[in-house]
Amino acid sequence: ELKVEQNPLFLSMQEGKNYTIYCNYSTTSDRLYWYRQDPGKSLESLFVLLSNGAVKQEGRLMASLDTKARLSTLHITAAVHDLSATYFCAVDRKEYGNKLVFGAGTILRVKS
Amino acid sequence: DAGVTQSPTHLIKTRGQQVTLRCSPISGHKSVSWYQQVLGQGPQFIFQYYEKEERGRGNFPDRFSARQFPNYSSELNVNALLLGDSALYLCASSIQEPYEQYFGPGTRLTVT
Repeated sequence: ELKVEQNPLFLSMQEGKNYTIYCNYSTTSDRLYWYRQDPGKSLESLFVLLSNGAVKQEGRLMASLDTKARLSTLHITAAVHDLSATYFCAVDRKEYGNKLVFGAGTILRVKS
Repeated sequence: DAGVTQSPTHLIKTRGQQVTLRCSPISGHKSVSWYQQVLGQGPQFIFQYYEKEERGRGNFPDRFSARQFPNYSSELNVNALLLGDSALYLCASSIQEPYEQYFGPGTRLTVT
């Protein structure tokens, strides 16, 4: 069974600081996704990671994938208040079709 | 280009009632998936349809059903509503399966 664990579940950080969110998954997956969700809103796609060693960056966010360790990280550089949101990682496998399995989410609060 | 659309935006129902939620995928997308997101949790997969056929079903009771129409839009039906069905229901579409999914704004269902 495909399971996804994120940590931490809650992260409070000061503006300007760096931090990393971790995403572990239980079995081989084909793609790993990072989403952002603002309160009461839908999911906004941030990154899709396909292969071992993949690294993608957008602004202050950088995601990486280590398929051997079944681990993805979302690194936040010099956090700003606008990054406050809930971040989810999710994985899928071709044999499961389009079924995405999500982690529990990391609530990020950036204090000004 | 229009994204995934869902209706209604919000809905309040009483226990025991039935509800129908609607989703229109991005133009050209043939796969639609439904997810339930209970407050404070990650989304849970309910159904996936591709070319009008059910391709996947999550661990939900038979009170949940769905269908996809020839124009690839989809409906999710929930019978005999329970308080625990209160959640944000998300629809996602993709060009084919398996492929990156794009999420709609969601329908917030409250069961009283």
